Amino acid sequence: GQNIDQPTEMTATEGAIVQINCTYQTSGFNGLFWYQQHAGEAPTFLSYNVLDGLEEKGRFSSFLSRSKGYSYLLLKELQMKDSASYLCAVRGYNTDKLIFGTGTRLQVFP
Amino acid sequence: DSGVTQTPKHLITATGQRVTLRCSPRSGDLSVYWYQQSLDQGLQFLIQYYNGEERAKGNILERFSAQQFPDLHSELNLSSLELGDSALYFCASSASGSHYGYTFGSGTRLTVV
Repeated sequence: GQNIDQPTEMTATEGAIVQINCTYQTSGFNGLFWYQQHAGEAPTFLSYNVLDGLEEKGRFSSFLSRSKGYSYLLLKELQMKDSASYLCAVRGYNTDKLIFGTGTRLQVFP
Repeated sequence: DSGVTQTPKHLITATGQRVTLRCSPRSGDLSVYWYQQSLDQGLQFLIQYYNGEERAKGNILERFSAQQFPDLHSELNLSSLELGDSALYFCASSASGSHYGYTFGSGTRLTVV
């Protein structure tokens, strides 16, 4: 089976940096994804990691350690529009199915 | 527009009724996935179809069923509806082994009264 853990809520200030952690336990691993979801809207793709290390994409970066079953999403220069839920999802072997964590609700304050 | 089309956007129905949710995947994607998201809950995987065949099944209730048609659109049928079935239902599609995971539709918000 698979188990994915994320903090339920986080708060941060506009312009700051925030790190959202995700730990996972899975019987097989073939990629970790981060999605952003605004309330009532569809999730949208942010990042993908399959090898250890840091992937940087603009203000967002994602890190993966497969040996530790650990990932984080780093958001820099926070903006009010970054207030959303951030979903960590894992893909297992020989499947395209994603299993999602419950998501981290981030609130950015002025 | 993500390319994944879900209809209807909103649905209000009474307990005990049956509804059908429809999804058209992005052009070229063979896989369709259905997820349920209840208030303040994560995305719960229901079922996956690949090129017309069931590929994976999650914690889908026996009252729920789905299919994928030759034109690759999919339908999720929910019957004997209960108040607890009220949720956002998302459809997503993907190409095999994609590094972008899924593309999601805008969802159907189902309210059972």
